Amino acid sequence: DVKVTQSSRYLVKRTGEKVFLECVQDMDHENMFWYRQDPGLGLRLIYFSYDVKMKEKGDIPEGYSVSREKKERFSLILESASTNQTSMYLCASSLRSNYGYTFGSGTRLTVV
Amino acid sequence: RKEVEQDPGPFNVPEGATVAFNCTYSNSASQSFFWYRQDCRKEPKLLMSVYSSGNEDGRFTAQLNRASQYISLLIRDSKLSDSATYLCVVNLPGTTSGTYKYIFGTGTRLKVLA
Repeated sequence: DVKVTQSSRYLVKRTGEKVFLECVQDMDHENMFWYRQDPGLGLRLIYFSYDVKMKEKGDIPEGYSVSREKKERFSLILESASTNQTSMYLCASSLRSNYGYTFGSGTRLTVV
Repeated sequence: RKEVEQDPGPFNVPEGATVAFNCTYSNSASQSFFWYRQDCRKEPKLLMSVYSSGNEDGRFTAQLNRASQYISLLIRDSKLSDSATYLCVVNLPGTTSGTYKYIFGTGTRLKVLA
């Protein structure tokens, strides 16, 4: 089974801090994704990557950046955390486009 | 219009009942469709892909209607353990040629009652 591991289950950060969320997959998947999930809004795509060092904006990229230096690792960066970035962050990977995703167990981030 | 729309529910059904959910999508360029299941405070998990000809996996049947741009999920003989939120997923072309991104519906909540 594919495993997608997110580095932290819960995080509490202060407004203005730079925050790094890490995601690692162990099955050589090409595509990796970052979503946030909020009540009533569902999962919204922040960024995705279809190859090492390649990235593409999703629907809500503002306030975020990403890094994919190695195929197995996809990092989400909150440049200056704000309270409206309090959310559940979910990382996913897929073998190729048009394949189903495997999700990590999520990071619940609270910005105070 | 939202790219993917689902009835949020909840659908409260007795054990053993048959229940169906629909999901509409707005972009005719979408090529891949999935149903995911999400339990409370857990990550979504792939339930099944949806193929043009319709497909079945045990008690679950998925169908695609391209003309009307909707997909459906039918659950027969509902079990208590089927209680969850069911997310409809549709792909859209990315900006870079050959890439796709997946758009999730907000989910339909199902409660199966004893």
